[in-house]
Amino acid sequence: EVQLVESGGGLVQPGGSLRLACEASGFSLRNYYMNWVRQAPGKGLQWVAIIRGDGSEKLYVDSVKGRFTISRDNARNSLYLQMDSLRVEDTAVYFCAGGLGWTSEHWGQGTLVTVSP
Amino acid sequence: EIVLTQSPGTLSLSPGERATLSCRASQSITNNYLAWYQHKPGQAPRLLIDDASNRATGIPDRFSGSGSGTDFTLTISRLDPEDSAVYYCQQCAHSPLTFGQGTKVEIK
Repeated sequence: EVQLVESGGGLVQPGGSLRLACEASGFSLRNYYMNWVRQAPGKGLQWVAIIRGDGSEKLYVDSVKGRFTISRDNARNSLYLQMDSLRVEDTAVYFCAGGLGWTSEHWGQGTLVTVSP
Repeated sequence: EIVLTQSPGTLSLSPGERATLSCRASQSITNNYLAWYQHKPGQAPRLLIDDASNRATGIPDRFSGSGSGTDFTLTISRLDPEDSAVYYCQQCAHSPLTFGQGTKVEIK
């Protein structure tokens, strides 16, 4: 069974850091583009970042550039999101999602990040 | 940045009826790289359609996608109570990869 499981969410103060992880099972991430997508409370989906299968290309939404870093470890079949200088407006459920192209065929259930004083 | 505008915001229909959801892009989407997702509360989003009209694996044929350029449509031919969800379009051609704001489908 194909599965993506996120972890690492929690409560953090503004200016703090968190590292999210996403572990895949049932398939190899190696050939997949992997994304982070978030959903703020009561809002819609927002794409955050994408990384190519070999890690050679990374793209970000403007609002997180310079603060968030997407990375992957194909040997561990895992995806990561290092989030620094967190802001209240980064509060959201963060989903990892992947596909053979930029469309996301597989999704995780999400992990909640709350940024609050 | 490509802005996607979905309409209507909410659709309230009865089981067996046809639902038509619209997604309009602020500029043409290369190769019609437009996807549709279904999202239910507390669950992972599910890919329904990619490349504007290709049904994803395991998706019932009640779901169909059409359109090109800047105007795209998701049609659910015969609504089932399990189709109650928010539906999002996403353009997968240009960075940033943007989503529409969603259409909520309610089953009466």
